[in-house]
Amino acid sequence: DQQVKQNSPSLSVQEGRISILNCDYTNSMFDYFLWYKKYPAEGPTFLISISSIKDKNEDGRFTVFLNKSAKHLSLHIVPSQPGDSAVYFCAARASPGGKLIFGQGTELSVKP
Amino acid sequence: GAVVSQHPSWVICKSGTSVKIECRSLDFQATTMFWYRQFPKQSLMLMATSNEGSKATYEQGVEKDKFLINHASLTLSTLTVTSAHPEDSSFYICSARFPGQGYEQYFGPGTRLTVT
Repeated sequence: DQQVKQNSPSLSVQEGRISILNCDYTNSMFDYFLWYKKYPAEGPTFLISISSIKDKNEDGRFTVFLNKSAKHLSLHIVPSQPGDSAVYFCAARASPGGKLIFGQGTELSVKP
Repeated sequence: GAVVSQHPSWVICKSGTSVKIECRSLDFQATTMFWYRQFPKQSLMLMATSNEGSKATYEQGVEKDKFLINHASLTLSTLTVTSAHPEDSSFYICSARFPGQGYEQYFGPGTRLTVT
């Protein structure tokens, strides 16, 4: 039972344009959502997060949107840069100390 | 920032042998660490939660006698894969929970295990 789903395994975007990565979840008990960036053969690095009491959180070029009614969140990267090329995982947890449930990841490729 | 290290970064072992992977929080104390496993192009699957000074909590389907976890100090957790088989070949990643109300997790760089 995949509680967190990233249905797009890959995404290719031109440098300078917007990258939109999507994530859906099924567990209505999730109250905190995170995005991680991962390079091959490395551990994930934290990017940005959002609490379920908010619908938007912004940090520089990265913005996360949360639509609780649709159980959907998205990560926007504007403008995209070649260095953003990596695998992006969304993750969710149901309580402050709860375990993280990860999606399958989306491989972003930003072309110069 | 918070740094988590893993050692070794990669290891090759023969079937039937055991291999130990270390996870260290370098600049903070972590009462809780996590062990994940990732297959190629797949998600990170939580294997177990490691609590300092107590037994690890294993996820459903993970054999606790095969994947031994020890969290002997606030900065070190170890995962020992016992009697390794080729199907245990995978990328193992640990994370450490940063103390405080944010419950942030910081991940190690991972260990590539190949069992021949």
